[in-house]
Amino acid sequence: DAEITQSPRHKITETGRQVTLACHQTWNHNNMFWYRQDLGHGLRLIHYSYGVQDTNKGEVSDGYSVSRSNTEDLPLTLESAASSQTSVYFCASSQDRDSYEQYFGPGTRLTVT
Amino acid sequence: AQSVAQPEDQVNVAEGNPLTVKCTYSVSGNPYLFWYVQYPNRGLQFLLKYITGDNLVKGSYGFEAEFNKSQTSFHLKKPSALVSDSALYFCAVRAFRGYQKVTFGTGTKLQVIP
Repeated sequence: DAEITQSPRHKITETGRQVTLACHQTWNHNNMFWYRQDLGHGLRLIHYSYGVQDTNKGEVSDGYSVSRSNTEDLPLTLESAASSQTSVYFCASSQDRDSYEQYFGPGTRLTVT
Repeated sequence: AQSVAQPEDQVNVAEGNPLTVKCTYSVSGNPYLFWYVQYPNRGLQFLLKYITGDNLVKGSYGFEAEFNKSQTSFHLKKPSALVSDSALYFCAVRAFRGYQKVTFGTGTKLQVIP
């Protein structure tokens, strides 16, 4: 069955370190998204991609970057982790049209100490 | 800018009673509307969506939602709540036209009491 996976599921890192969160989907979806979930804020969009070599900033992109070298993967990099980036991160994918629902991964809980 | 409001942080309902989780939205033009559910330590799962057509949309697990354009609402409903429905529910919206991405609400925790 097609799925979307994230790794690691839990990560503890120190302030200032670079961290990369992996996202892999086997739906063959062109659209992929990264969100962070924080209490009181719901889900906020970090970055998104409409296809290979395409990446776009979302509403909370500062301090994060993504790259899309193939259809299946959209890794999220925190260039220099900050305590404010402690959160739960979700990756999602969807079919080409924005009327389609998104499929979410299980999430990565990141703690920056 | 588009937005979604879920006015209740938590909704408590007795098992077997009908439930309603409220959602109102603001977009320019016609909306795409979605409901998702999140169980503890899991990602969001799609429940149902409104794109066009019938204002009453039926989805997974017996849930349905009614689109009301005049009240800009898209409330989630179920005739008889189950304890297993206890979860976090998110409403989401996107404008039919333009380049806005989907905007999620802050979520409503549904607690079904046995």
